[in-house]
Amino acid sequence: AQSVTQPDIHITVSEGASLELRCNYSYGATPYLFWYVQSPGQGLQLLLKYFSGDTLVQGIKGFEAEFKRSQSSFNLRKPSVHWSDAAEYFCAVGASGGSYIPTFGRGTSLIVHP
Amino acid sequence: NAGVTQTPKFQVLKTGQSMTLQCAQDMNHNSMYWYRQDPGMGLRLIYYSASEGTTDKGEVPNGYNVSRLNKREFSLRLESAAPSQTSVYFCASSLGGAVSDTQYFGPGTRLTVL
Repeated sequence: AQSVTQPDIHITVSEGASLELRCNYSYGATPYLFWYVQSPGQGLQLLLKYFSGDTLVQGIKGFEAEFKRSQSSFNLRKPSVHWSDAAEYFCAVGASGGSYIPTFGRGTSLIVHP
Repeated sequence: NAGVTQTPKFQVLKTGQSMTLQCAQDMNHNSMYWYRQDPGMGLRLIYYSASEGTTDKGEVPNGYNVSRLNKREFSLRLESAAPSQTSVYFCASSLGGAVSDTQYFGPGTRLTVL
């Protein structure tokens, strides 16, 4: 079965600084990878997803993520963080050979200082 | 186009009481899901419905029942609430049974069981 790890429970950055949120997955074949964002008091919204092709994926709100098979990682990045990016971020992994429902990580809470 | 709607937004129950959480989607999606979100635990799948007329257990189904009333609606019932069921509950939907599908989430129901 697939699994996903988000090593950082909290990340604090200053507004305007760059951001990288880590995600590591465990799955034998090519995984289907997702990043979702949850703003305070709201449901989750898809930022981006990857399942084939170019390993650098562009998403909404200026986010991008890079799939690195050798490191089993799918880290989320943003070059300049805005205060409105403060939220909970979830990485998820899906497996083509098993259940079609993705497995979610435990989330990383992003705090943005002015 | 409202997307995924959930009612109620907040609920407080006493131990042993029952309640039903309602979920509806207007995107003509085939698959629907119920998750619970607890601090540090991420999202855990309670039940899902791959298509109208079918339901299946997820990771944490004990203490819950579901009904796929029609293609639009998927309800979650707590027959005898327990304090361990204090959580935020999210309903989600997706187009079908493809691992690449995006999930669309409702705003959540915040449930407290005293």
